[in-house]
Amino acid sequence: DSGVTQTPKHLITATGQRVTLRCSPRSGDLSVYWYQQSLDQGLQFLIQYYNGEERAKGNILERFSAQQFPDLHSELNLSSLELGDSALYFCASSGGGNSPLHFGNGTRLTVT
Amino acid sequence: GQQLNQSPQSMFIQEGEDVSMNCTSSSIFNTWLWYKQDPGEGPVLLIALYKAGELTSNGRLTAQFGITRKDSFLNISASIPSDVGIYFCAGRYMEYGNKLVFGAGTILRVKS
Repeated sequence: DSGVTQTPKHLITATGQRVTLRCSPRSGDLSVYWYQQSLDQGLQFLIQYYNGEERAKGNILERFSAQQFPDLHSELNLSSLELGDSALYFCASSGGGNSPLHFGNGTRLTVT
Repeated sequence: GQQLNQSPQSMFIQEGEDVSMNCTSSSIFNTWLWYKQDPGEGPVLLIALYKAGELTSNGRLTAQFGITRKDSFLNISASIPSDVGIYFCAGRYMEYGNKLVFGAGTILRVKS
């Protein structure tokens, strides 16, 4: 168990809808990262937060947004969903600096 | 962004064989991480490397941080069926703001 909790585990929704994915980092970790993994693809970095502030942005679409709350949990909001948004979405946390990332078990999003 | 070249892309080996995979880059890295991802789960940290030349073991797994700081390898000795999965390397390098970059992964299949 990595200590990173993601909910829900599975999400099925229709095109055009909006969903929110939630992540609770490991106790004490201030950094939260979001990654997208499509079928048979690698891990695509979306965005990083550190102690509530956006730290780095990757290949995140404008339809997607995220935030990190004072209790350090994070939410990834995906709107105007398209079929191509179907993927595994992973959250990871770290203690900062060169600390390794620890991943949750992901949310599998299916857009129909 | 910087790319990590991870090879091989996939491997199909006999149980009991030793396995080797590597990641290379044209940039100098200050951290190398190796992860394993089982189907439907999040990547799990196997080994973290922080110094050039560092050689670290975790059970049957051994990883090294290349002397040039531009590469790393992961060896698995005496492979078993549960070694099946996707292995990712990841690295941090100063030129990229110390962000973490992932390789495309090596798919390992073991024939028992």
